[in-house]
Amino acid sequence: GQQVMQIPQYQHVQEGEDFTTYCNSSTTLSNIQWYKQRPGGHPVFLIQLVKSGEVKKQKRLTFQFGEAKKNSSLHITATQTTDVGTYFCAPPPYGGTTNKLIFGTGTLLAVQP
Amino acid sequence: KAGVTQTPRYLIKTRGQQVTLSCSPISGHRSVSWYQQTPGQGLQFLFEYFSETQRNKGNFPGRFSGRQFSNSRSEMNVSTLELGDSALYLCASSSGGANYGYTFGSGTRLTVV
Repeated sequence: GQQVMQIPQYQHVQEGEDFTTYCNSSTTLSNIQWYKQRPGGHPVFLIQLVKSGEVKKQKRLTFQFGEAKKNSSLHITATQTTDVGTYFCAPPPYGGTTNKLIFGTGTLLAVQP
Repeated sequence: KAGVTQTPRYLIKTRGQQVTLSCSPISGHRSVSWYQQTPGQGLQFLFEYFSETQRNKGNFPGRFSGRQFSNSRSEMNVSTLELGDSALYLCASSSGGANYGYTFGSGTRLTVV
């Protein structure tokens, strides 16, 4: 079945440093979604990528979808303490017919002021 | 627009008991998914309902069940509770399923003692 791995599992940065998390799938993806979960909170939808090689930006966040649609990345420029939380990628199965959104293992980001 | 509402927020139950959790999706959303979140296993898919039909089920024992009503509200039930069922149970609604962004509720924190 589909497996999704995220790396790193945990990253600690100084405020102002950049951060990147990577999501790798064993199968080709129709699209990929990214979510953020603050400590003690619930996952919040950030973005969905659909096209091969797609790049989308949200202020300091840059999301990329690989050319082969098997991997994705989230890059945060100049982290702030408000960026603290766990970032999950979530790719639906190819074709999206099973409606079973699988979440990656997540990357926990800690930001030291 | 009201968000996804889950009740109760916190619950303490004894081993062997059963529990019912409720989820009211965003108005107009017909797809409701349930997830179990634990520190060790991350976000695990339980099941997804669309228009009162279970479209997909995760790898959980039969003690975990759910249903969806005609107004799209959903309930999940766990019978014969075990200590390992202690977790945050999250409900997510979507307008169409896994290929659309999910909106999560705040979750029900279940503790089994």
